[in-house]
Amino acid sequence: QKEVEQNSGPLSVPEGAIASLNCTYSDRGSQSFFWYRQYSGKSPELIMFIYSNGDKEDGRFTAQLNKASQYVSLLIRDSQPSDSATYLCAVLDNAGNMLTFGGGTRLMVKP
Amino acid sequence: NAGVTQTPKFQVLKTGQSMTLQCAQDMNHNSMYWYRQDPGMGLRLIYYSASEGTTDKGEVPNGYNVSRLNKREFSLRLESAAPSQTSVYFCASVEGPNYGYTFGSGTRLTVV
Repeated sequence: QKEVEQNSGPLSVPEGAIASLNCTYSDRGSQSFFWYRQYSGKSPELIMFIYSNGDKEDGRFTAQLNKASQYVSLLIRDSQPSDSATYLCAVLDNAGNMLTFGGGTRLMVKP
Repeated sequence: NAGVTQTPKFQVLKTGQSMTLQCAQDMNHNSMYWYRQDPGMGLRLIYYSASEGTTDKGEVPNGYNVSRLNKREFSLRLESAAPSQTSVYFCASVEGPNYGYTFGSGTRLTVV
């Protein structure tokens, strides 16, 4: 059973701070990693993906990947109350067929 | 641009009833997926179709069947609903590996 683990939270940060969300995965052969945001009662929406070791930046979001440690993270700079949501980490299998999702981390950004 | 359309949005079934959840995408994507989401458990894959004419089991296929009717449509059928199938069901599609999935708005199913 391939596993993707996230701390369920809630992670509470003040407005303007950096939020750091973490994810570990069990399948060492995984190649691609995705972060989704899900507002309560809504469907997941893609924030960004990463497949190379290191950092990838997109606006206020930075994804970090360390394949040796089987660890993916998402940093959100200048957090806003509108960033309050559940963040889902997802890992693509070797064959590129299926995404396995973690349980999600609930982020709360307080004004 | 509708993206991924799921019907119905809400459904209440009695134990033992059957129903089909419908999903259609207008993005010409090859691959389509059915997930269920339960509180605290994230999204779990039920079935997927990597291309038209093929379907495969995911993590939690028991109690479900699927049909890839054509490239656009991928339906999920519950033959005999059970309370354990109470969940939110999401359909998704994707262009290919390393592209993000596009999700439908979900179907909230309650089995009593």
